[in-house]
Amino acid sequence: ETGVTQSPTHLIKTRGQQVTLRCSSQSGHNTVSWYQQALGQGPQFIFQYYREEENGRGNFPPRFSGLQFPNYSSELNVNALELDDSALYLCASSLPTGGRANVLTFGAGSRLTVL
Amino acid sequence: RKEVEQDPGPFNVPEGATVAFNCTYSNSASQSFFWYRQDCRKEPKLLMSVYSSGNEDGRFTAQLNRASQYISLLIRDSKLSDSATYLCVSEGYSSASKIIFGSGTRLSIRP
Repeated sequence: ETGVTQSPTHLIKTRGQQVTLRCSSQSGHNTVSWYQQALGQGPQFIFQYYREEENGRGNFPPRFSGLQFPNYSSELNVNALELDDSALYLCASSLPTGGRANVLTFGAGSRLTVL
Repeated sequence: RKEVEQDPGPFNVPEGATVAFNCTYSNSASQSFFWYRQDCRKEPKLLMSVYSSGNEDGRFTAQLNRASQYISLLIRDSKLSDSATYLCVSEGYSSASKIIFGSGTRLSIRP
């Protein structure tokens, strides 16, 4: 059983650029969620995808967008990067069953630095 | 006010001690709660789910108090390997509900 994998692990961008982060979900998991974790803070929920549709979103502007593919992998896109976007971006997959809450399996994250 | 609040710590306790953390949540509609553990520069990993009756897993006990809107984590006989940041999580009823993490409580176990 493969876990959640994310790429790239580290990247540096400049203000105004765009970035795409990728995530492969754990085998058998159909739901992917993305989080932003600033230094010293807990992960902040960006959005969640289920069956290729966004089905939950946190307080992030529209320049944060995503996709989920038929194989349940996912992308997070951030346009017009700002300095405050510098953070660890975590992807988590889950398999909600019978209305029970999501137990999340996280990837190791992509650390983004915006200069 | 944050939706999920935790004492950031750090808690610095000797090996073998018992330590307890609380986490408060503001949304009374929150249905499910979890404790995750995050080691330095690593991803969070599930420690325990917390359901309405609370639960115990070895040295770890999690409890939920809906009336006062808090959950707690108790660690008995603490080990050096318990040193980590402990994240409290609340989730709404449907899968579309927000998943909210607290800022985490740092625990350091000293020999």
